[in-house]
Amino acid sequence: DGGITQSPKYLFRKEGQNVTLSCEQNLNHDAMYWYRQDPGQGLRLIYYSQIVNDFQKGDIAEGYSVSREKKESFPLTVTSAQKNPTAFYLCASRGRRVGNQPQHFGDGTRLSIL
Amino acid sequence: DAKTTQPPSMDCAEGRAANLPCNHSTISGNEYVYWYRQIHSQGPQYIIHGLKNNETNEMASLIITEDRKSSTLILPHATLRDTAVYYCILFEGKLIFGQGTELSVKP
Repeated sequence: DGGITQSPKYLFRKEGQNVTLSCEQNLNHDAMYWYRQDPGQGLRLIYYSQIVNDFQKGDIAEGYSVSREKKESFPLTVTSAQKNPTAFYLCASRGRRVGNQPQHFGDGTRLSIL
Repeated sequence: DAKTTQPPSMDCAEGRAANLPCNHSTISGNEYVYWYRQIHSQGPQYIIHGLKNNETNEMASLIITEDRKSSTLILPHATLRDTAVYYCILFEGKLIFGQGTELSVKP
């Protein structure tokens, strides 16, 4: 089935370590997005990519990095510089760079600091 | 900051229509109104979107006022599985999520 796969569903990290969250889509979508959600809050945009080998910072990019080497993959690295990384991370994709196509979301990765 | 305003919570009886309001008084001419919902610990699910005209799909109906300053999402026959947080979002380049409305469908 077509969709967005995020792995793992739960992730634990020791303080000071970098960790990479996976996001893969087989929808042939050009644009991909990473959001962070804290308890009781809405989603906040971390990074987005409109096309392969290009990406832009969102509203809360500090302490995060991304790459977009393949159309179907948009991994997010949470670095040790991120002061409060415990959160629910959501990946999304969208069919066209412009226009009114909706974003579709994966089921998220919940990151916790040990 | 989110450009929409929604009530924090609403209740609805099972089988009845759920009408979820949203104010977006600063909407610009190019911005679409999108609705998503999120069930606890899952990713947001797309419901419907519109620009000017009312829209209907298999999940819901979207009613947009003529001045486009507010809209209403209608779930015609709410079920217990419709219990979720519903987000009304304006899109122009990116989605900006607010706090949403927590809808509780009760038996």
